[in-house]
Amino acid sequence: AQSVTQPDIHITVSEGASLELRCNYSYGATPYLFWYVQSPGQGLQLLLKYFSGDTLVQGIKGFEAEFKRSQSSFNLRKPSVHWSDAAEYFCAGGTSYGKLTFGQGTILTVHP
Amino acid sequence: GAGVSQSPSNKVTEKGKDVELRCDPISGHTALYWYRQSLGQGLEFLIYFQGNSAPDKSGLPSDRFSAERTGGSVSTLTIQRTQQEDSAVYLCASSLEDAPGYFGPGTRLTVL
Repeated sequence: AQSVTQPDIHITVSEGASLELRCNYSYGATPYLFWYVQSPGQGLQLLLKYFSGDTLVQGIKGFEAEFKRSQSSFNLRKPSVHWSDAAEYFCAGGTSYGKLTFGQGTILTVHP
Repeated sequence: GAGVSQSPSNKVTEKGKDVELRCDPISGHTALYWYRQSLGQGLEFLIYFQGNSAPDKSGLPSDRFSAERTGGSVSTLTIQRTQQEDSAVYLCASSLEDAPGYFGPGTRLTVL
């Protein structure tokens, strides 16, 4: 079955520290992959997307993600976290644009 | 408006009643998506529109759920004979042509 897994339910980092949120996928073929962020009281916002080509994808707000076929992973990274990055992050995948399967989400807490 | 809007923001209904949820996408966006978010199930795909047609409605949980889109703009999600398990936040998103980029704030549905 097609699935997207986020192994970490909750991650805590200090402001200014680097961040990596994990995402693993299980699809027969390489899916389209996405990262979304949901801030408290805000709607889901697309951070970045991978369709094909360059495996390192740049997104908004200083985020990037790297597609690794050998590890079936699409981890999200940021070199230096800001307090405003505290939110819930969702990885999603699909073989068509419309129907995405979302991971369970990772809650990011940022300590000052 | 600048973003995707949804109405009502909150809806409380009694089991067995019908409800209609509305989504106004960003002007000019041809693709429109309905998802729902609940504690137990996470984010689930419901249906996807390209223009006024729905290429993929495989996520609708039962025949009590239906959706339409008129004029390539506004969409309505209708749930007939609501059940308690329908309680969730119903999210609408739109995009120009590929994956959902902009989500609305959602409609929180509570079925008593």
